Amino acid sequence: NAGVTQTPKFQVLKTGQSMTLQCAQDMNHNSMYWYRQDPGMGLRLIYYSASEGTTDKGEVPNGYNVSRLNKREFSLRLESAAPSQTSVYFCASSQKTGWSTDTQYFGPGTRLTVL
Amino acid sequence: QKEVEQNSGPLSVPEGAIASLNCTYSDRGSQSFFWYRQYSGKSPELIMSIYSNGDKEDGRFTAQLNKASQYVSLLIRDSQPSDSATYLCAVDLMKGAQKLVFGQGTRLTINP
Repeated sequence: NAGVTQTPKFQVLKTGQSMTLQCAQDMNHNSMYWYRQDPGMGLRLIYYSASEGTTDKGEVPNGYNVSRLNKREFSLRLESAAPSQTSVYFCASSQKTGWSTDTQYFGPGTRLTVL
Repeated sequence: QKEVEQNSGPLSVPEGAIASLNCTYSDRGSQSFFWYRQYSGKSPELIMSIYSNGDKEDGRFTAQLNKASQYVSLLIRDSQPSDSATYLCAVDLMKGAQKLVFGQGTRLTINP
């Protein structure tokens, strides 16, 4: 049981390049999330998917797109990378039981540098 | 006003003492509250969740929730050097929203 996995662990891009961050979970969770973490800023939600087939914007969606490929996988795409997107990106997942907001479990993160 | 506020620290506590971490939130409709621990260079891991007013204890950790004051805290008893980390408070936007808002985190250092 690997939990939440992310690839790659590290990436360096040049301004304008594109890339996709991959995330997969094996806990049969319904909801999945993408966050970015910058120094002193805590975690900020980029996009989330409450269930397979749905995606919604979070606090900082500009410059990103997402795809919920199936129940297990949720990818984050940067179409044209900018230096402001240099950050650590975390994927998370949670079971959705309805009456309360459930615990989110995090992947190991992707450290992205845009030059 | 930030939705979830924490003192960024650093908070320095001697080994064996009680560490007290505080968090305030702005949305009175929030129902679910979480404390995560994050070691440097690692991902956040859940310490405690709390949903009802009062105290919830788990080993050396106690979470305290006061919805009237919009305040949630985490106490760490018998602090150990291994407790040195950044502690993130997270609050849901509304009941069952399945979305969390995180504070900026409090950096805690336990001094041997």
